[in-house]
Amino acid sequence: DQQVKQNSPSLSVQEGRISILNCDYTNSMFDYFLWYKKYPAEGPTFLISISSIKDKNEDGRFTVFLNKSAKHLSLHIVPSQPGDSAVYFCAATGTGGGNKLTFGTGTQLKVEL
Amino acid sequence: DAGVIQSPRHEVTEMGQEVTLRCKPISGHNSLFWYRQTMMRGLELLIYFNNNVPIDDSGMPEDRFSAKMPNASFSTLKIQPSEPRDSAVYFCASSLDRTDTQYFGPGTRLTVL
Repeated sequence: DQQVKQNSPSLSVQEGRISILNCDYTNSMFDYFLWYKKYPAEGPTFLISISSIKDKNEDGRFTVFLNKSAKHLSLHIVPSQPGDSAVYFCAATGTGGGNKLTFGTGTQLKVEL
Repeated sequence: DAGVIQSPRHEVTEMGQEVTLRCKPISGHNSLFWYRQTMMRGLELLIYFNNNVPIDDSGMPEDRFSAKMPNASFSTLKIQPSEPRDSAVYFCASSLDRTDTQYFGPGTRLTVL
């Protein structure tokens, strides 16, 4: 039972364009959401997060949008750069779960020149 | 500034053998997490500790898996006996406390033949 779903296993975007990575969740108790980025042979690194009291959070080229009614969040990267090529994991947690994160299966982003 | 350290980085073993994975969290971090990454299920939380005490081990797949944290600077994940379906990348992560950002180690790639 996958509570956090990333339905696109891969995404290819041209350098300079926008990358949009999507994530859906099913558990209504989730109230804090995170995106992690992972390069090959490395562990995931934290990228950006959003609390359920917000619908948008921005950090430089990265913006996360949250639509609570649709149980959907997305990560926008503008402009995309070749160094952004990595696997992106969506994760979620609820206040009752401490910091227990539930991850999606990841989306492989490839930014082409 | 050392991050989370995991050893070994790669482990190849035969079915039925005991496997021990090791983790040294970031100094001063009070929470430690063990994850397993597979293509089908993404990143799954196996167990996490807070102040060296196991808090939630509901993700541990079977009794063949066990984890210990004898002190604040060391944790082990043991699989005995190992099976081919245990082949995966195992990550250790640590955080300052239960609600803080998790920092991941580089992972151990386990192959059980």
